[in-house]
Amino acid sequence: DAKTTQPPSMDCAEGRAANLPCNHSTISGNEYVYWYRQIHSQGPQYIIHGLKNNETNEMASLIITEDRKSSTLILPHATLRDTAVYYCIVDSWGKLQFGAGTQVVVTP
Amino acid sequence: DAGITQSPRHKVTETGTPVTLRCHQTENHRYMYWYRQDPGHGLRLIHYSYGVKDTDKGEVSDGYSVSRSKTEDFLLTLESATSSQTSVYFCAISESGQGNTGELFFGEGSRLTVL
Repeated sequence: DAKTTQPPSMDCAEGRAANLPCNHSTISGNEYVYWYRQIHSQGPQYIIHGLKNNETNEMASLIITEDRKSSTLILPHATLRDTAVYYCIVDSWGKLQFGAGTQVVVTP
Repeated sequence: DAGITQSPRHKVTETGTPVTLRCHQTENHRYMYWYRQDPGHGLRLIHYSYGVKDTDKGEVSDGYSVSRSKTEDFLLTLESATSSQTSVYFCAISESGQGNTGELFFGEGSRLTVL
């Protein structure tokens, strides 16, 4: 199964864009990239997913490199409520495996 | 919010006793999952189900069994609880996308303490 590598933590100023990197160098051609976040002790929340093309929704944008070996989640205007652990996951069809994620702290 | 209910939400039990956690959904989603979350490990998949009576193992399935007799219920059983199974357990559901798992909706979690 493909694995992902994320920085353990990062800080972001409120109102600025937060760019969260993820490496998935062993991803297969038909495997999707998913992003979730977990706020405090709540259940994880889906953010966005993609295969090859860049994706955007009301929460974030997902940029996937052309070789698909890495991706970046962009939170365009971070708020204090975006403080959470963010997980980048490669979808091994039915077995989403969450790593340790990136702890993002948004500061005023 | 997706209709997912986990019960019990909190449980304290003793080593060697059986424990069953229940996940109930009202969304009629095909796929259901059980994860556990421990400090420093993120979420780890225990078992999942892809239909009634169809289940498969995840990465940390030892010591756990599951059953799904109805679309809406997915039960996780610890036959003989051990202290290493102290954890927060999350249930999730999904309706598969096109060639991928689809969006997972998570329950609120069940905190289990084994003394």
